[in-house]
Amino acid sequence: EAQVTQNPRYLITVTGKKLTVTCSQNMNHEYMSWYRQDPGLGLRQIYYSMNVEVTDKGDVPEGYKVSRKEKRNFPLILESPSPNQTSLYFCATGRKMNTEAFFGQGTRLTVV
Amino acid sequence: KQEVTQIPAALSVPEGENLVLNCSFTDSAIYNLQWFRQDPGKGLTSLLLIQSSQREQTSGRLNASLDKSSGRSTLYIAASQPGDSATYLCAAPLYNNNDMRFGAGTRLTVKP
Repeated sequence: EAQVTQNPRYLITVTGKKLTVTCSQNMNHEYMSWYRQDPGLGLRQIYYSMNVEVTDKGDVPEGYKVSRKEKRNFPLILESPSPNQTSLYFCATGRKMNTEAFFGQGTRLTVV
Repeated sequence: KQEVTQIPAALSVPEGENLVLNCSFTDSAIYNLQWFRQDPGKGLTSLLLIQSSQREQTSGRLNASLDKSSGRSTLYIAASQPGDSATYLCAAPLYNNNDMRFGAGTRLTVKP
């Protein structure tokens, strides 16, 4: 079954404590990206990756890092989380950029 | 940059009605037009993708049309059911541009 798997689904953490949200896909897609979704602001892209070892900033990259060492994995790293990063995060993949997008189930992050 | 607008923001209809959701975009040089469904707190599920060279796509009770010249797409839902209640989002990515911008969505409620 084609899947985009995010972990964890829910996370409550404290300000400044480094965390990683994982994203894994089994569809051999080249393109992967991260979004955050906030009420009234919609979906905003954080980072994207066109292929292994190729990453670039989206609209709201500040405070986030990513890596793409393997095709199937695209972790999102918050080195020093702050309360304004409290949000619902989604990983999305596609065969290539702008082709049909497949989304993970989301990670609800709360930073206190 | 591409701007995507969805009207109305919310819609409530009785079960059985046919309905139309609207999506407009500012730049007509799109690669495709994608419609998604999002249930509360969940990820986005791809419903229909219309290639830029196509005029419409159908899947079951759903029919999506595309008019690039006017910068509009519509999602028609026939014989609505309570299970159709969700938020519907569209995205209109541009050619060779990492610009998968989403509309804010239309929150649909179908009352039994």
